[in-house]
Amino acid sequence: AQKITQTQPGMFVQEKEAVTLDCTYDTSDPSYGLFWYKQPSSGEMIFLIYQGSYDQQNATEGRYSLNFQKARKSANLVISASQLGDSAMYFCAMREGPYGGYNKLIFGAGTRLAVHP
Amino acid sequence: NAGVTQTPKFQVLKTGQSMTLQCAQDMNHNSMYWYRQDPGMGLRLIYYSASEGTTDKGEVPNGYNVSRLNKREFSLRLESAAPSQTSVYFCASSKTGGGYRGSYEQYFGPGTRLTVT
Repeated sequence: AQKITQTQPGMFVQEKEAVTLDCTYDTSDPSYGLFWYKQPSSGEMIFLIYQGSYDQQNATEGRYSLNFQKARKSANLVISASQLGDSAMYFCAMREGPYGGYNKLIFGAGTRLAVHP
Repeated sequence: NAGVTQTPKFQVLKTGQSMTLQCAQDMNHNSMYWYRQDPGMGLRLIYYSASEGTTDKGEVPNGYNVSRLNKREFSLRLESAAPSQTSVYFCASSKTGGGYRGSYEQYFGPGTRLTVT
């Protein structure tokens, strides 16, 4: 069965420094995708970044990058130059579904990030 | 362009009462989903609808029913609410038709906070 593991319940980082949030996954499907979502205290789910299993390069979106190590089944999120507004809960998720079709997301338990001034 | 909307935002029910959570999207997406989020946990899939006219169970379907009313609307019904169903409920949608990030990204509604006493 597919599974997502986030082993860091909480992390803190100084403003303007980089931080890495860990995510490992388990799947037997050769085609899959990995997401990171941010959930601030207001509760909404904000999409950050996506990595497909066949993508040759690591995904980047502004200050967010995904360190994808397929052999180790890890998909860590790197946030560069942290800002106070980055304080939130971060979820790693894996899609399950047909290529180009619907996707059911399987979420990890999340990591709460606190950015200190 | 409202994206994904959910009603109500908050609801308190007594054990045994029934209610329907409403969800609508205006992005012409084919697939829609219902998740629940319990304290300290990631989201778990309740039901999904891959396309108009189809619905399928997710990870935690017991105690719920769904209706895909049309392409825009996907409702979740609790027939006899139980305290274990106290949670935040998120509706989401995604388009289909391509094997790229844009077709897999799920857009989430703001959530409904439900308390069953």
